Amino acid sequence: ETGVTQSPTHLIKTRGQQVTLRCSSQSGHNTVSWYQQALGQGPQFIFQYYREEENGRGNFPPRFSGLQFPNYSSELNVNALELDDSALYLCASSLPQGPAGELFFGEGSRLTVL
Amino acid sequence: ILNVEQSPQSLHVQEGDSTNFTCSFPSSNFYALHWYRWETAKSPEALFVMTLNGDEKKKGRISATLNTKEGYSYLYIKGSQPEDSATYLCAYNTGNQFYFGTGTSLTVIP
Repeated sequence: ETGVTQSPTHLIKTRGQQVTLRCSSQSGHNTVSWYQQALGQGPQFIFQYYREEENGRGNFPPRFSGLQFPNYSSELNVNALELDDSALYLCASSLPQGPAGELFFGEGSRLTVL
Repeated sequence: ILNVEQSPQSLHVQEGDSTNFTCSFPSSNFYALHWYRWETAKSPEALFVMTLNGDEKKKGRISATLNTKEGYSYLYIKGSQPEDSATYLCAYNTGNQFYFGTGTSLTVIP
């Protein structure tokens, strides 16, 4: 087990709604990144937070936003949900060790948008 | 957008068979290549991190090699066991962003 926990594990929303996903990082890790895995795809980088500041963003629209708290836990918020937002959302924590640093993943939150 | 490709997409092998998969990635501006193992209903777990051309890593029956000049990495599993059944993901690391392939789904038939 990695010590990274995500909630909720599953949820269903309708188009236009908003969703908040939560992640508690592994103890001692100050960096959290979020990934979206759509069906048949590999995980796609959404953004990364380091010490409460966004520290890199992938090719996702502004309606995907995030927060990192002083205890390094994090939230992913998605506004104006679209059908294509249906996916598994993975959170990963790490230390800022550079390219060789590994990611420690949670089990993911599976979002279904109807 | 960096393109990381994995092949095959899926394979089924008999228990005891050895197998290997491929990950190809951009050969320019290489930083690190990661392999993750992802069992169903669990979280992806790191297998190997490789940073230097020619790196070879081994963990039990699983090993990996890296060729940064031509942009590929191989993952080998010797004597596959049913517990090796999982999706194997490779990821190209640029320093603050990981680019994942779509994974190779391995099923080991007892």
